[in-house]
Amino acid sequence: EAGVTQSPTHLIKTRGQQATLRCSPISGHTSVYWYQQALGLGLQFLLWYDEGEERNRGNFPPRFSGRQFPNYSSELNVNALELEDSALYLCASSFGGLARISSYEQYFGPGTRLTVT
Amino acid sequence: GDSVTQMEGPVTLSEEAFLTINCTYTATGYPSLFWYVQYPGEGLQLLLKATKADDKGSNKGFEATYRKETTSFHLEKGSVQVSDSAVYFCALARMDSSYKLIFGSGTRLLVRP
Repeated sequence: EAGVTQSPTHLIKTRGQQATLRCSPISGHTSVYWYQQALGLGLQFLLWYDEGEERNRGNFPPRFSGRQFPNYSSELNVNALELEDSALYLCASSFGGLARISSYEQYFGPGTRLTVT
Repeated sequence: GDSVTQMEGPVTLSEEAFLTINCTYTATGYPSLFWYVQYPGEGLQLLLKATKADDKGSNKGFEATYRKETTSFHLEKGSVQVSDSAVYFCALARMDSSYKLIFGSGTRLLVRP
């Protein structure tokens, strides 16, 4: 069974540009979560999508946004990139709805390393 | 707010030594608790979990018991191997409207032959 996949593996952008990161969840999972792993700041929750809608958001500015598509894959967009946005961005997926309550586990992809110069 | 505190690393052990990585949490209600492991250059892998007080999660020789009275979820392994070298993250999630994982800062484990 395929795990969570993310693309691209690495992304290099300059300040002020926009970055788009992509995530495909495990088959059967309808929830997607995004986390940022920045050096010295640990793992921080960014966004949660479930059934195509944004359900929860972490303490990040509005230039961090995303969406979830009908096939449950997801995009994370970061606008007006700043140097401190350089980090590993991890996507995770889980079951949604009632299945989430009985078997709550998040499975992570390998991440996208974003470097802003 | 909710938080997770882990012991500072790195933890350096010889092969076959006993491992303990301390984890304590602060949360309202009854969160679920997790240990994730991150090998160099990779994403996070779920190592084990516990969903209620006194539950013991176990996997690959690792164990952790959900202790509500001490708000702890310490990770233990009786005999570590070089291949266990990685960063270990303790995390909690509340089964309410948020479902987000709140992570500790991670503890790097280095096992020497």
